[in-house]
Amino acid sequence: GESVGLHLPTLSVQEGDNSIINCAYSNSASDYFIWYKQESGKGPQFIIDIRSNMDKRQGQRVTVLLNKTVKHLSLQIAATQPGDSAVYFCAENSGGSNYKLTFGKGTLLTVNP
Amino acid sequence: GAGVSQTPSNKVTEKGKYVELRCDPISGHTALYWYRQSLGQGPEFLIYFQGTGAADDSGLPNDRFFAVRPEGSVSTLKIQRTERGDSAVYLCASSRGLAGGKTGELFFGEGSRLTVL
Repeated sequence: GESVGLHLPTLSVQEGDNSIINCAYSNSASDYFIWYKQESGKGPQFIIDIRSNMDKRQGQRVTVLLNKTVKHLSLQIAATQPGDSAVYFCAENSGGSNYKLTFGKGTLLTVNP
Repeated sequence: GAGVSQTPSNKVTEKGKYVELRCDPISGHTALYWYRQSLGQGPEFLIYFQGTGAADDSGLPNDRFFAVRPEGSVSTLKIQRTERGDSAVYLCASSRGLAGGKTGELFFGEGSRLTVL
């Protein structure tokens, strides 16, 4: 079936570097995408979202890029800090659903001091 | 409280037993969701409430799982005749509603870790 997936299960970066986490989605009917951060023992925390009528959206130190042509989503974290170490999930609103999210498997980001 | 509260944080039970997991959403949030997260996986949708009614329970694995939200606030996820495969973290989330026709920001609790021996 259609699902959200991630290219890299783990990513290790040096403190201060920029991080890029990628996600591929296959449900072309999905039109809303969200990135979540999950620290160990905690629930997912909303980072940033983007609707399909946009290609790019920026937040504080984070940028989400959406390429609908190749069904690709990425999260860029600028000047990565040790506190950014966590598992990052991309999620899509399942086939355009108003409430149901389909999550990818996640990428573990480790920031080395 | 300021966030979504889930109890218990940990539950260990024996195969065949009945368990209840409670979720107290953020005050004023009309939408409530249950997700299940297995080790190393992303959360999987179980059920969605808008107010008191279950608007979509299509993610519940089978009829051993049931959830209620009788007064439109606190919700309880009930699992009968637990099986080892039910072991997972059960996450609850709430949101103000459907912002602009979409979920908007979901606020997740820390989850209830269920272990079935």
